[in-house]
Parts: sequence; C-alpha cells; structure tokens
Amino acid sequence: AQTVTQSQPEMSVQEAETVTLSCTYDTSESDYYLFWYKQPPSRQMILVIRQEAYKQQNATENRFSVNFQKAAKSFSLKISDSQLGDAAMYFCAYRGYNTDKLIFGTGTRLQVFP
Amino acid sequence: GAGVSQSPSNKVTEKGKDVELRCDPISGHTALYWYRQSLGQGLEFLIYFQGNSAPDKSGLPSDRFSAERTGGSVSTLTIQRTQQEDSAVYLCASSLVRYRETQYFGPGTRLLVL
Repeated sequence: AQTVTQSQPEMSVQEAETVTLSCTYDTSESDYYLFWYKQPPSRQMILVIRQEAYKQQNATENRFSVNFQKAAKSFSLKISDSQLGDAAMYFCAYRGYNTDKLIFGTGTRLQVFP
Repeated sequence: GAGVSQSPSNKVTEKGKDVELRCDPISGHTALYWYRQSLGQGLEFLIYFQGNSAPDKSGLPSDRFSAERTGGSVSTLTIQRTQQEDSAVYLCASSLVRYRETQYFGPGTRLLVL
C-alpha cells in the first residue's frame, strides 16, 4: 500500500525568506501524481502544485516549486519570498495513475513571521 | 466559476442522532469524493462517485456511514447513530473526470458529536 510521510509537524519562516517542506512517499507504481495542498484556517484545501511522475522537470507555480526525486521517493515544496498569507497547513498527497483516491500525509503547519 | 460547496458549514449533534452532509460539486464534474479529516490527522478517503455510482466505498469506516449521489451532481453523506469518534471535518472534492484530473475541494463540514 502507498504511504505518504511528512516528518515536519511544524515549520516557521520569516517574511521574504525561503522555506522547504519535506515529503517522502512509498509506492511500487512507476506512474503516479504528487500534489501539495494548502489548508488555511478557513479549511478550504487549495491546490498549490502538481507533479506527474513521468515528467523529469520539476513543477513550478510562481513562488512555489518542488524538488522531485523519483528514485529517492522524495517530493519537497520550496516556498520563495514567503508571505504572511502563506501561513497554513500544507499537505503532501499521492495518487496512483489509474486510481481515484488521494493519499495524504499528516501535514506540516507553516508559520510566517513578519 | 463556482467552486465546490458544502452544507452545513458546521453541525453539532447529540450522540445517537443521524446527520446528513451535503456536497455540490463544480458544474460538469463527473467525479466526486468524500474525505474525513479527524483532529490532528491527515485526510482519509471515504468514498468515490463516478456519475451516480460508487465504484469505491472502501474508506467508509462502518455500516453507519452511507452516501448517495443523484443526477450526477449533488451528493449526501449520511451518518446514522452518530458516535463521538465521528467528530471530524468532512471534505468533499470533485474532478472533471476520474483518474488523472486534479481534485478540487470544498470548505468542508465540521461535525461535532456531543
């Protein structure tokens, strides 16, 4: 069975600095998708970034980028130029290529200090 | 366009009562998912719908939990004879089609069983 591990329950960063959130996963599949979702206090899960495992190029969305290491089964999220609005819970998630459900890690709470 | 909506936003009930949680997916999305987020934990998959049928009910924790979807749109998650351990945030997500499409989440329903 696939598992997703986020080993950092909490992280903090100062405004305008860079922070990296870690995620590792375990799977025997070769094709799959990985996601980072952000959950602010409003509870709304917001998609931050998505990576297809067959793509070697790391995904980037504005200030958010990932470091995808397929062999190491690692999928970290880098947030550059951190903003106060980035404060939230961040969840890493896995989805098999031909499966329906997302498998989530336990989340990392990110605090941003002015 | 309108996102996924869920109602009620919050629900307080007494142990032993039945509750119904509603999800309105994004218009045109054929796939619909229910997840549960218990306090301090990540999200766990409950059930998935493709159209009005539920090919995967593997995450429903007990036979007190059921769900239906009508008209390929609105879905209702019903919990009978609620227990205190059912207290959680119930999140609904939808995607355009199954498998490889991104899931978009609603704001969730926070259920508290007293």
